[in-house]
Amino acid sequence: KQEVTQIPAALSVPEGENLVLNCSFTDSAIYNLQWFRQDPGKGLTSLLLIQSSQREQTSGRLNASLDKSSGRSTLYIAASQPGDSATYLCAVRLRDSNSGYALNFGKGTSLLVTP
Amino acid sequence: DGGITQSPKYLFRKEGQNVTLSCEQNLNHDAMYWYRQDPGQGLRLIYYSQIVNDFQKGDIAEGYSVSREKKESFPLTVTSAQKNPTAFYLCASNLLDGSPLHFGNGTRLTVT
Repeated sequence: KQEVTQIPAALSVPEGENLVLNCSFTDSAIYNLQWFRQDPGKGLTSLLLIQSSQREQTSGRLNASLDKSSGRSTLYIAASQPGDSATYLCAVRLRDSNSGYALNFGKGTSLLVTP
Repeated sequence: DGGITQSPKYLFRKEGQNVTLSCEQNLNHDAMYWYRQDPGQGLRLIYYSQIVNDFQKGDIAEGYSVSREKKESFPLTVTSAQKNPTAFYLCASNLLDGSPLHFGNGTRLTVT
């Protein structure tokens, strides 16, 4: 079974810092990888989707990279703002998943950006 | 605007009662999913459906049931057989091509 790990579990940074969130997975035969943001008590908002054939995706101040061979993905947040405070989750879909198109999730990194 | 609507937002039930959580989407997505989220744990898949009138068990299906009578709707019933039903339940959907997964805002179920 695909195991998805996110490190660190929690992170606190001052406003303006660039930061990196890490995600690792045990099975490199993935179909795609998706990063989400979750605010307290809310559902998940999709940030970036990287297909297995891609190395990175960018959206505004966010950049996600994928290295299948090492089983790693990183989410880079540039010039962090207090509004970026949330939990960030990484999820992968296996190429031969027995769960259709469902995703396997990490436990998330809780980010706090202080003014 | 297209999206996924989960209702109610909060639900309280007594132990031993069955309860049904609603999930409706107007995104014309083929696949729908139910996940459960507990503090300190990742999301765990309960059930999923890729087509009307068909659904499959996920990793933690025991004590739950679903139906998919319409493409737009995928209700989840939490039965009295579920040992620890108190949790945050999330419904999601996407197209069958593995496109991004979209989530509703969740239902927080408390069973006492």
